[in-house]
Amino acid sequence: DAKTTQPPSMDCAEGRAANLPCNHSTISGNEYVYWYRQIHSQGPQYIIHGLKNNETNEMASLIITEDRKSSTLILPHATLRDTAVYYCIVRVAGMKTSYDKVIFGPGTSLSVIP
Amino acid sequence: EAQVTQNPRYLITVTGKKLTVTCSQNMNHEYMSWYRQDPGLGLRQIYYSMNVEVTDKGDVPEGYKVSRKEKRNFPLILESPSPNQTSLYFCASTRGTSGRYEQYFGPGTRLTVT
Repeated sequence: DAKTTQPPSMDCAEGRAANLPCNHSTISGNEYVYWYRQIHSQGPQYIIHGLKNNETNEMASLIITEDRKSSTLILPHATLRDTAVYYCIVRVAGMKTSYDKVIFGPGTSLSVIP
Repeated sequence: EAQVTQNPRYLITVTGKKLTVTCSQNMNHEYMSWYRQDPGLGLRQIYYSMNVEVTDKGDVPEGYKVSRKEKRNFPLILESPSPNQTSLYFCASTRGTSGRYEQYFGPGTRLTVT
């Protein structure tokens, strides 16, 4: 079973911020939160990741709650090209002898509406 | 350009005819994985490899084989394909430095077994 839960779908008006929530209440102290998106049937694309601090890059911002049990991916100005399925996953990093099986849940299907 | 390539992109074959889907990455990544994606079931990990000659089963390994003789290549082998292996397949390689385990996905291979 996936270690994360996300709403199955969301809509967002073009030009507005899209806020995609993710619940990971069983996250361990050494697990990072990663976000990917998949546009139509293309290969998933890495967006951003974080451990406990908020992160920002050219694509998005990631806000992780203080207790690390949930996070929000923010696309500050959504465009039609951001319409995709967004996946939130947790995984251990830095353990070369114990590579985690990576589990993708069903994700959130984001529709950006003109 | 850093990338993961897969070949072929589309394949229609018949039950029982052995096939190989190739995967190659040019980023010198240690970790590589294979996933299949089916409607309603999301992305499921088939096999992964931590390094040359080191492979392990993911969640749905039955009916598949892999090999990792070189760091850059990770072929997926279907010895005797069956119709239930009709799916969209993705190869991924993972940047595996401390704290950073983002995956880079190939463009996908759509396989139909009749």
